Amino acid sequence: DTAVSQTPKYLVTQMGNDKSIKCEQNLGHDTMYWYKQDSKKFLKIMFSYNNKELIINETVPNRFSPKSPDKAHLNLHINSLELGDSAVYFCASNVAGGTDGQYFGPGTRLTVT
Amino acid sequence: QKEVEQNSGPLSVPEGAIASLNCTYSDRGSQSFFWYRQYSGKSPELIMFIYSNGDKEDGRFTAQLNKASQYVSLLIRDSQPSDSATYLCAVIGNDYKLSFGAGTTVTVRA
Repeated sequence: DTAVSQTPKYLVTQMGNDKSIKCEQNLGHDTMYWYKQDSKKFLKIMFSYNNKELIINETVPNRFSPKSPDKAHLNLHINSLELGDSAVYFCASNVAGGTDGQYFGPGTRLTVT
Repeated sequence: QKEVEQNSGPLSVPEGAIASLNCTYSDRGSQSFFWYRQYSGKSPELIMFIYSNGDKEDGRFTAQLNKASQYVSLLIRDSQPSDSATYLCAVIGNDYKLSFGAGTTVTVRA
């Protein structure tokens, strides 16, 4: 059984389009995250939700909008895609949003052409 | 600004040897420390966590933490080719954000 799942696994789209990535966790965790890993493999946090409430919102263009319909799901919608948005996006979750380790989904490789 | 720095690598070790990975962090308020392993094209996988000063052993892995020196390390004993991956050091500070280092790529030579 997959603990943290993401769809789609690959996403290829053109500049200017709008796309969404979905994430679901079946671990019963309260907190979920979105990370971006760029071509240099550096992982950087974008957003965090605790029980559907936004708690971390890093300096991310407002073209990126997270949505959490319930504590098991955290989706990421991206408007007006740009070339620089090409990266791997990882969803993660943990128990309490505090000091526990986070468990990552398989990632979504986004390519903007 | 909180920073997590790792030795840049790549680190190449023969099979059976000890691989030693180092990480320093800038935020003295950091409270939780993690090592993740990431195979090429895969997601980060949590392999070790440590909260208190000293050593913590789990199988062939040992994490060492020295908060006074703001230093955390990972030792991999009896390295196997399957240990070849990028190892990411991650730190949670008082703001509860997980910050990652750039990673050290380890290659175990058969």
